[in-house]
Amino acid sequence: KQEVTQIPAALSVPEGENLVLNCSFTDSAIYNLQWFRQDPGKGLTSLLLIQSSQREQTSGRLNASLDKSSGRSTLYIAASQPGDSATYLCALGTGANNLFFGTGTRLTVIP
Amino acid sequence: DTEVTQTPKHLVMGMTNKKSLKCEQHMGHRAMYWYKQKAKKPPELMFVYSYEKLSINESVPSRFSPECPNSSLLNLHLHALQPEDSALYLCASSQVGPQGPPLHFGNGTRLTVT
Repeated sequence: KQEVTQIPAALSVPEGENLVLNCSFTDSAIYNLQWFRQDPGKGLTSLLLIQSSQREQTSGRLNASLDKSSGRSTLYIAASQPGDSATYLCALGTGANNLFFGTGTRLTVIP
Repeated sequence: DTEVTQTPKHLVMGMTNKKSLKCEQHMGHRAMYWYKQKAKKPPELMFVYSYEKLSINESVPSRFSPECPNSSLLNLHLHALQPEDSALYLCASSQVGPQGPPLHFGNGTRLTVT
């Protein structure tokens, strides 16, 4: 069974700092990997989707990478802002219309 | 603003009540999902509909009954729930495809069972 781990579980950084969130998975047989953000009590907002054949995707200050061979993905956030404070979840698409979610990283950006 | 709309946003119900959660999308997606999320935990898949047919049921108790009346609507009927069923219920939609297209989530319904 696919296991998805995100480290650290929580992270606090000062505004303006660049940061990296990590996602590790045990089974490399994936179709894609998706990064979401979730604000408290809200739904999930899709940030980036990386197909299994891709190495990275970029959107604005966000860059996500995928290394299937090592079972790792990273989400890089440049020049962090207080509005980036949220929980970030990675999710693996393994076909059959299902996603395996990671445990999440709760990010706080301090003004 | 999300393109997947869920109603109601909040729901409080007793253990003997019958209620329904609703989800609507107009993106032409033919796959729709129900997820359950407990506090500080990742979402857990409950049901998947593909082309209005139930394709995945993750061993969910029968007190949860999904329904997909058409390609834009998804309901979750609730009956005789337990307090431990209190959670955020998330609806999502996507295209149907072999490469696992991205999921689009609604803002969820916060359910409290008393």
